[in-house]
Amino acid sequence: EAGVTQFPSHSVIEKGQTVTLRCDPISGHDNLYWYRRVMGKEIKFLLHFVKESKQDESGMPNNRFLAERTGGTYSTLKVQPAELEDSGVYFCASSQDLGLAGEQYFGPGTRLTVT
Amino acid sequence: SQKIEQNSEALNIQEGKTATLTCNYTNYSPAYLQWYRQDPGRGPVFLLLIRENEKEKRKERLKVTFDTTLKQSLFHITASQPADSATYLCALDESNTDKLIFGTGTRLQVFP
Repeated sequence: EAGVTQFPSHSVIEKGQTVTLRCDPISGHDNLYWYRRVMGKEIKFLLHFVKESKQDESGMPNNRFLAERTGGTYSTLKVQPAELEDSGVYFCASSQDLGLAGEQYFGPGTRLTVT
Repeated sequence: SQKIEQNSEALNIQEGKTATLTCNYTNYSPAYLQWYRQDPGRGPVFLLLIRENEKEKRKERLKVTFDTTLKQSLFHITASQPADSATYLCALDESNTDKLIFGTGTRLQVFP
């Protein structure tokens, strides 16, 4: 069974540009999460999809971030326009069960560098 | 808001010994607490989950305890091996949601 995949693995962009990150969850997993780790800090929650619906987007930093999950399969996270403080590693995770099942499967992450 | 404290200093132990990592939380007791392993350049990998009504959970050489009175979880690796060297992350749910709150992790180094 394929795990969670993310693309690209690394992106370097200039301040003001746009970047779109993609996440393909494990097939059949209704829950999809985005997290971010800024250098030196802990991994922080961004948002949670259940199928195509946003269940919780309380962690999204501001309106420069837009996440979508059309059709309830893969998800994209767009940052427009990017700022220096957006640099970090963006992780996607998926899980099968709704509710407090807990276990989440993480992708390898996308390292975003904004210069 | 809930905060998780893990020892930011690396833990260095000799092969064969038991490694013990600590996770403390500051506020309400979570419905469950999880431990993940993370290797450089990779995403976290789930290891164990322990629920609030469980005191202890085991999986092969791994053991997790959960003390809601102390607001603490201990993660043990017995008969440690160099391959166990990694960063170990503690995570818990926020207010009975699926949102995970992570600690900064503790780096474990097992030397031969």
